[in-house]
Amino acid sequence: QKEVEQDPGPLSVPEGAIVSLNCTYSNSAFQYFMWYRQYSRKGPELLMYTYSSGNKEDGRFTAQVDKSSKYISLFIRDSQPSDSATYLCAMSANSGYSTLTFGKGTMLLVSP
Amino acid sequence: GAVVSQHPSRVICKSGTSVKIECRSLDFQATTMFWYRQFPKKSLMLMATSNEGSKATYEQGVEKDKFLINHASLTLSTLTVTSAHPEDSSFYICSARGTGGVGYTFGSGTRLTVV
Repeated sequence: QKEVEQDPGPLSVPEGAIVSLNCTYSNSAFQYFMWYRQYSRKGPELLMYTYSSGNKEDGRFTAQVDKSSKYISLFIRDSQPSDSATYLCAMSANSGYSTLTFGKGTMLLVSP
Repeated sequence: GAVVSQHPSRVICKSGTSVKIECRSLDFQATTMFWYRQFPKKSLMLMATSNEGSKATYEQGVEKDKFLINHASLTLSTLTVTSAHPEDSSFYICSARGTGGVGYTFGSGTRLTVV
């Protein structure tokens, strides 16, 4: 079993839809959870950063962590064509500064 | 916010030659930099971790003599792909962790094509 599992998609939705992106993981030591957005042929940019379980909201984005289920989610409300990108989950143990383990990334396509 | 500049964005080289990729932290001091490799539709794979002033730590399976990493200052790390072969063609991305920041900042990546 891979440490981090993420459906590669592509996930196609119409503009305005609510998008749900998910990752599961097996390492119970992970405590820091991040979501990155990567446009084609660009480096990833950090979207959300959460510690341990709970929810965090930032504008149209909401990150959820359920450590008991080893399951994290990113919700995007009122999705826009500009949200079309690959979304990678990442996580680390011990502190936010240890090496990251990435999911494969989910490609999201938002059509106008 | 923290900015990491990576250069070049794209390079094409002949098989057998060496290529150097630079990663600079523009507005912060990067005590640690990470080098990743990404194949199409695949996740980021950590190649090595470099700390300023010390030798890089390579991940299992990464040839340290082929992928030379230098982190001589707090704002610059370089990755040199030596004796490049077509199978080294990939997207290489660096990221940096600052001295007091949260999380990681990524460079824009380098598309290496070896012909």
